[in-house]
Amino acid sequence: DAGVTQSPTHLIKTRGQQVTLRCSPKSGHDTVSWYQQALGQGPQFIFQYYEEEERQRGNFPDRFSGHQFPNYSSELNVNALLLGDSALYLCASSLADLGRIQYFGAGTRLSVL
Amino acid sequence: QKEVEQDPGPLSVPEGAIVSLNCTYSNSAFQYFMWYRQYSRKGPELLMYTYSSGNKEDGRFTAQVDKSSKYISLFIRDSQPSDSATYLCAMTTADTGRRALTFGSGTRLQVQP
Repeated sequence: DAGVTQSPTHLIKTRGQQVTLRCSPKSGHDTVSWYQQALGQGPQFIFQYYEEEERQRGNFPDRFSGHQFPNYSSELNVNALLLGDSALYLCASSLADLGRIQYFGAGTRLSVL
Repeated sequence: QKEVEQDPGPLSVPEGAIVSLNCTYSNSAFQYFMWYRQYSRKGPELLMYTYSSGNKEDGRFTAQVDKSSKYISLFIRDSQPSDSATYLCAMTTADTGRRALTFGSGTRLQVQP
């Protein structure tokens, strides 16, 4: 049973660039959440997607946007990258009716230079 | 003030010790409580999940929730070097419109052989 998979593993970008991160949920899961984890901190909620719509959003600027596809996979896009966007980006998947039990992928480590 | 407070550690114990990890929170609406384990440069792994108050045991791990004190704990019995990791508490409400997890900043645990 495949768990949550994320790609790429590591990414290096420069300020002002745009980045797209990808996530495939755990088999059978239909809901995807994205979190940002700065070094030494706990994950911070960015947004959650269900039925291809953003269901809930955290306190992140509009530069952060997402998408969910019919096969439940998801993308996180970040525009106009800032140095402060450097972090581990985590994708978590869950079932809609058990949305509080979330399973995480290994993350994408983004470095902005 | 953060909604969830967690002692960052590091907490260093000898192999075989009983470990106690704790979190306090301020939002009385939190009803679901989780503990995740995160190894260096990996994604969080769900260890325990409890609803409302009470205890839950799974092998060497016991989770306790005291909603009256807004305090949760994770106990690890017979700790092993392989338990060395960062432990994150996470919680969320029963509100169907809010499924985001709010995390503590994590406690780094080191189990010495």
